[in-house]
Amino acid sequence: GAVVSQHPSWVICKSGTSVKIECRSLDFQATTMFWYRQFPKQSLMLMATSNEGSKATYEQGVEKDKFLINHASLTLSTLTVTSAHPEDSSFYICSARQGRTDTQYFGPGTRLTVL
Amino acid sequence: GDSVTQMEGPVTLSEEAFLTINCTYTATGYPSLFWYVQYPGEGLQLLLKATKADDKGSNKGFEATYRKETTSFHLEKGSVQVSDSAVYFCALHIRGRDDKIIFGKGTRLHILP
Repeated sequence: GAVVSQHPSWVICKSGTSVKIECRSLDFQATTMFWYRQFPKQSLMLMATSNEGSKATYEQGVEKDKFLINHASLTLSTLTVTSAHPEDSSFYICSARQGRTDTQYFGPGTRLTVL
Repeated sequence: GDSVTQMEGPVTLSEEAFLTINCTYTATGYPSLFWYVQYPGEGLQLLLKATKADDKGSNKGFEATYRKETTSFHLEKGSVQVSDSAVYFCALHIRGRDDKIIFGKGTRLHILP
């Protein structure tokens, strides 16, 4: 089956630093990748949609200069949290979709803690 | 707008009990419907899906039937196990409409041995 990995699985950083999270589709080419944020005991909040080779489309209220998304290849998308602050601490989950299918395959998530 | 409503949790059951988690949706088009499961500390896994009315999705003993007349996609399992303890998300996707998946808020399930 389709497998999506994320790296790192968890990260702790100091306030003001930047953190990069990678999302890879391991056995398929992902034309579209999605980045979600999940707060404790809550549902997933879509942050942005990225298509390979083009700029990401951000959801309303998500700061594009703070959450930089790059989808440089069909198997890799990265989310960089710039100048992280404690309120950015969260569980970040990516998903990937092949072609125009309606099924997204999710990564295992990355827990970010900003001190 | 399009939305998904699912029963609030947590739901606590004893092992081997019958499970139902209700899910209803609102959509102006013809959505595909999904159930995703999230085990503690992990991402989401697709549990089952149905793409058109009257389709039944099934996996690992779980079932859900796409009911257009009641706009529902209730999740059921005849005999739950402790290992089924997780958070379950109902979701919909309408092809061509923003191309997003819309999730319900999730239902936490606790199964007691």
